[in-house]
Amino acid sequence: EAEVAQSPRYKITEKSQAVAFWCDPISGHATLYWYRQILGQGPELLVQFQDESVVDDSQLPKDRFSAERLKGVDSTLKIQPAELGDSAMYLCASSSRSGVQSTEAFFGQGTRLTVV
Amino acid sequence: RKEVEQDPGPFNVPEGATVAFNCTYSNSASQSFFWYRQDCRKEPKLLMSVYSSGNEDGRFTAQLNRASQYISLLIRDSKLSDSATYLCAVNGYGGATNKLIFGTGTLLAVQP
Repeated sequence: EAEVAQSPRYKITEKSQAVAFWCDPISGHATLYWYRQILGQGPELLVQFQDESVVDDSQLPKDRFSAERLKGVDSTLKIQPAELGDSAMYLCASSSRSGVQSTEAFFGQGTRLTVV
Repeated sequence: RKEVEQDPGPFNVPEGATVAFNCTYSNSASQSFFWYRQDCRKEPKLLMSVYSSGNEDGRFTAQLNRASQYISLLIRDSKLSDSATYLCAVNGYGGATNKLIFGTGTLLAVQP
């Protein structure tokens, strides 16, 4: 069964350091999402890609977060510098289609980030 | 008002009980609706899509009420293994750049 791959699974970093997460969506999925989930809350959308283009990054803290999907396949989310409040689960998801008749999104196992 | 709202619970029910959750959404143009299940410290996993005509999968039934802008999930004959957080997801806006928005989740605890 096709899966969304994410790495690393766990990351501990000191505040003010840089950290990066990687995601490889299900093959053929054009839409890729990055979510942040704080314990006890629902996933919060940070950025959405359609192929290599960002279609929404309204909730991405652009002063410290960046995301790219250069060839429209895998994607990287970076935080620089990390802050204590960035500690959360970072989830990547992909779907074959977004838009009015969007299809279901499938999630990777996530990267659990702890900033100390 | 939040785009997608859920009662966080917890819902504590005995085994064998029937339990229902609702999820309200603010954008009347939304077209796609989903229920996800999330176990503690795991990723959300798709439980079922919600169609205009409703959707049933074994003990689980999902329905859409467009007039009142909510979706529902009904679980019959609850099992201990149903204990989890149930997230609803809605595509957020009409147009080409829809966002998939999640609620905060409803925690279900099935008691023996």
